[in-house]
Amino acid sequence: EDKVVQSPLSLVVHEGDTVTLNCSYEVTNFRSLLWYKQEKKAPTFLFMLTSSGIEKKSGRLSSILDKKELFSILNITATQTGDSAIYLCAVEPSNTGKLIFGQGTTLQVKP
Amino acid sequence: DGGITQSPKYLFRKEGQNVTLSCEQNLNHDAMYWYRQDPGQGLRLIYYSQIVNDFQKGDIAEGYSVSREKKESFPLTVTSAQKNPTAFYLCASSINRGFLGDYEQYFGPGTRLTVT
Repeated sequence: EDKVVQSPLSLVVHEGDTVTLNCSYEVTNFRSLLWYKQEKKAPTFLFMLTSSGIEKKSGRLSSILDKKELFSILNITATQTGDSAIYLCAVEPSNTGKLIFGQGTTLQVKP
Repeated sequence: DGGITQSPKYLFRKEGQNVTLSCEQNLNHDAMYWYRQDPGQGLRLIYYSQIVNDFQKGDIAEGYSVSREKKESFPLTVTSAQKNPTAFYLCASSINRGFLGDYEQYFGPGTRLTVT
C-alpha cells in the first residue's frame, strides 16, 4: 500500500531557529514529491521535487529529495512567526494524477 | 482573478440529510479533486476527475458522490450513508498531466461541514 509519513507531527520553536521537517514515502512508481504550506484554509504550493540531490530554494525555505532512501526534507532557516502552519508532504505515483498526503507537521514559531 | 472557489465556507446539516458542496475553477484546468481533512490527519482523496464526464474513486469514496458535467465545476454530495461526515473538505484542480510536464494541484479555500 502506498503511504507517506511525516515527522515530527508537531514542533514548537522560537523565532530565528532553523527547523527540518521530514517526509518518507513508499509508493509504486514514484513520479514526484510536493510540499505544501497550510495556514488557515487552502494549502499553498511550496516545492515539487522529481530528481534526487537537487535542492530547491525559495527564500528561507529549501527542500531536497533522496530517491534511494525514499525521503525528502524541508528546511526553514531563521524562522518567523509567519512560518507557523501545517506543512504537508504529498507524493504522486507515476501518471495517476493522484496525490498521497502525509499527516502533516504542525509548526509553531514563538516570538 | 483566476482561482478555485468553494461554497459555502461553513455548512451545518442534520444527520440523515444529503448535502452538496460546490467547487468551481476558472483556471481552465482539466483535472479536479476532492479531499477530506480531519484533525491530526493529512488530506485523504475522495474522488477525482481528469476530464469532463469522467471521474474515479479515491481512497475514501464510500458515502460520497460527484459529477463532472462541466470543466469548471466538480460538486461533491455527502450522502446520509457517510458515517462520519463532519470534516473540512478541500477541492483542488490541476492541468491534466501527461507524460511530460509536472503541474502542481491548486486548492480552494475549503468548506467546513458540521453534521449533528
